[in-house]
Amino acid sequence: DAGVIQSPRHEVTEMGQEVTLRCKPISGHNSLFWYRQTMMRGLELLIYFNNNVPIDDSGMPEDRFSAKMPNASFSTLKIQPSEPRDSAVYFCASTPGGSIYQPQHFGDGTRLSIL
Amino acid sequence: RKEVEQDPGPFNVPEGATVAFNCTYSNSASQSFFWYRQDCRKEPKLLMSVYSSGNEDGRFTAQLNRASQYISLLIRDSKLSDSATYLCVVNTNSGYALNFGKGTSLLVTP
Repeated sequence: DAGVIQSPRHEVTEMGQEVTLRCKPISGHNSLFWYRQTMMRGLELLIYFNNNVPIDDSGMPEDRFSAKMPNASFSTLKIQPSEPRDSAVYFCASTPGGSIYQPQHFGDGTRLSIL
Repeated sequence: RKEVEQDPGPFNVPEGATVAFNCTYSNSASQSFFWYRQDCRKEPKLLMSVYSSGNEDGRFTAQLNRASQYISLLIRDSKLSDSATYLCVVNTNSGYALNFGKGTSLLVTP
């Protein structure tokens, strides 16, 4: 079975550019999560969706970050304009939903470098 | 205070050793607990869920102490392939969201 699929795997871009990260959750999973991981702060939850609806976006750093989930099989995380401090690994994860006892399954991540 | 706290290590142990990691969490209402493993430059992967009565999966044993808000992971007969970062994970008050500790680094040496 296909796992969570993220693209691109790596992104290097210049400060000020728009960055779009993409995620396809596991089929049938109703909850989708975007995380950012850095050495200093570890793994931080940015936003999560349940049934395509944003439930908790309290972790989104600022207005430069936005996330959408137009349908059950696709989500995007956009940074505009990007800044060097946004450099990190961004993970998408999904879970079936319906129970807090179900673990989350992670994609391979997008390694983002802003120059 | 962070929601989930772990000793970052690193723990350097020889092959065959037994090693234990601890984790504390701040939310007394938390109900689900996990250990994840993350290899260098890879995604976190579920190692095991942690149940109230404690549970074992091969060489791995997880324990939960709700009164002390403390979770542990014991690895017996360490293998070189156990070298990784181990993340303690606890559910939040926000639906299905999880809080991840910053991880404990383990290096098993020959």
